Amino acid sequence: SQQGEEDPQALSIQEGENATMNCSYKTSINNLQWYRQNSGRGLVHLILIRSNEREKHSGRLRVTLDTSKKSSSLLITASRAADTASYFCATDPPDGNKLVFGAGTILRVKS
Amino acid sequence: EAEVAQSPRYKITEKSQAVAFWCDPISGHATLYWYRQILGQGPELLVQFQDESVVDDSQLPKDRFSAERLKGVDSTLKIQPAELGDSAMYLCASSSDNRGNEQYFGPGTRLTVT
Repeated sequence: SQQGEEDPQALSIQEGENATMNCSYKTSINNLQWYRQNSGRGLVHLILIRSNEREKHSGRLRVTLDTSKKSSSLLITASRAADTASYFCATDPPDGNKLVFGAGTILRVKS
Repeated sequence: EAEVAQSPRYKITEKSQAVAFWCDPISGHATLYWYRQILGQGPELLVQFQDESVVDDSQLPKDRFSAERLKGVDSTLKIQPAELGDSAMYLCASSSDNRGNEQYFGPGTRLTVT
């Protein structure tokens, strides 16, 4: 079963705009991670935020975590056509040593 | 930069046949994962190895799926017999520990069962 649920399921924006994707989860977590997957390829790790952190930045990426609402958001600023991909959140529950992935958000950046 | 290797990249097989996938993790990574990803969904864990030992295979359909990592390095996932519903992307990933940190994924094997 998948714990995380991304919202929206699909997002289409113009190059240069910002893209925001949200993730909600059900149980407590040790950390939450975001991954990117280009069509037909494996996943690439983007960023990890621990349960005691509220915000984290990496280049054009900004991730927030609200453990009281069991939700996270991924913001991609100044998007590029190369950002076109599926984005997944993955949670690491305290009672396990495995990641549980959501269904993903499909992002399309039009040039 | 070190990468996770998988082969084959694509596999077409008829139902009831046997199929096998191979994964070579990043050197030194003790933890290896096999995931199945159905089109339009996120990856779901099938089996997790710590060195040569299975630590989680709760979602592995053991009547037809098997996985091994005999020397604690590369790994093989087998399906016998394949069913139409097994059509999916099979992803291998590795990490340096099993504490829920960053995982490195291979390019995957796209399986089509006809």
